[in-house]
Amino acid sequence: AQSVSQHNHHVILSEAASLELGCNYSYGGTVNLFWYVQYPGQHLQLLLKYFSGDPLVKGIKGFEAEFIKSKFSFNLRKPSVQWSDTAEYFCAVNALPPQFGSGTKLNVKP
Amino acid sequence: DGGITQSPKYLFRKEGQNVTLSCEQNLNHDAMYWYRQDPGQGLRLIYYSQIVNDFQKGDIAEGYSVSREKKESFPLTVTSAQKNPTAFYLCASSIKGGDEQFFGPGTRLTVL
Repeated sequence: AQSVSQHNHHVILSEAASLELGCNYSYGGTVNLFWYVQYPGQHLQLLLKYFSGDPLVKGIKGFEAEFIKSKFSFNLRKPSVQWSDTAEYFCAVNALPPQFGSGTKLNVKP
Repeated sequence: DGGITQSPKYLFRKEGQNVTLSCEQNLNHDAMYWYRQDPGQGLRLIYYSQIVNDFQKGDIAEGYSVSREKKESFPLTVTSAQKNPTAFYLCASSIKGGDEQFFGPGTRLTVL
């Protein structure tokens, strides 16, 4: 069965620290991979996506993610986090049906 | 102003009553989705629809029902058979199944 695993449920960082959130998926076919973000009190919104091509994708607000097919991974990174990055982050596979990970709550201390 | 509308934002119902949550989109998207969001469990798919008059069960469809009579509308009914209905419900749409999803603001349902 398809699944998406996010390894970190709650991450606390200080401003300017580097961030890496893990995401592994289990799916046999071609996948579209996404990271979504939910800022406090706001709608879930797309952070970045991978459909094909360059496995290193860049998204909004300085985030990037790398698709490593051999590891079934799509980890999210940011070199230097800001307090405004405090949010919940979800990895997703948009196969049909779509699957979301359980989410990672990021708390950035000012 | 394009987007997805969910109403109401907060909904209270007594146990044993069915309740219908509204989801409307004016993005002209073919696919629509319903998710349930519980703390620590991420988004779990209830139902999805790739086209009008067609829908499929997701991972947790038991106790829920949907209809897709119009492209822009995908209402979700939480029936009395749903054992633990109190939750935050999110509706989403995409141009077609498998694409980037756009989310509504959600409805928080509390069953008393």
